[in-house]
Amino acid sequence: ETGVTQTPRHLVMGMTNKKSLKCEQHLGHNAMYWYKQSAKKPLELMFVYNFKEQTENNSVPSRFSPECPNSSHLFLHLHTLQPEDSALYLCASSQVAGITGANVLTFGAGSRLTVL
Amino acid sequence: RKEVEQDPGPFNVPEGATVAFNCTYSNSASQSFFWYRQDCRKEPKLLMSVYSSGNEDGRFTAQLNRASQYISLLIRDSKLSDSATYLCVVYLSNDYKLSFGAGTTVTVRA
Repeated sequence: ETGVTQTPRHLVMGMTNKKSLKCEQHLGHNAMYWYKQSAKKPLELMFVYNFKEQTENNSVPSRFSPECPNSSHLFLHLHTLQPEDSALYLCASSQVAGITGANVLTFGAGSRLTVL
Repeated sequence: RKEVEQDPGPFNVPEGATVAFNCTYSNSASQSFFWYRQDCRKEPKLLMSVYSSGNEDGRFTAQLNRASQYISLLIRDSKLSDSATYLCVVYLSNDYKLSFGAGTTVTVRA
């Protein structure tokens, strides 16, 4: 496999469920990101991991919990979500975070989440 | 004021036409700039970086105007396959955050 792969592609969950989104990159990158995309809104950065260390938590509610066990894998654990959390969740990677020229993003296809 | 602003469009143009649109950014210290393309229900993909002197990639031309704090994208000889949402992305050095615009939708009709 090449690029950035995300699973599942679609997820429907109730407000009391616990689920996880998975992202894997095969590009040898050292930075991974979670973005949220809602209709007609700009992409919102949620979390950044650079060399497995979390470097950005963009005031995201604690019902979203990221995990980065190594530079190639990134998870987003979901717990007691709200209907307004329904959105497309995009994972991305770059060579390195925070350095001009090495921060071009490659995105995964996204996980479309619906919270009932 | 939003960090990155784009005219949402849509820009509806016939095949073969030229279409151009801008993106303004609020932070004068912004360092690097990109255009990404996002097809319907797909992920964003890098279209081109934007360099200070302006740059061209085939039918696409990007310009940067630091004095007025905007970047532009021009598409010549539009193809049906150019129909997409074009996202403006701005990066402030020493920050891990790439700021995205909400996108400009272009529809090319036969």
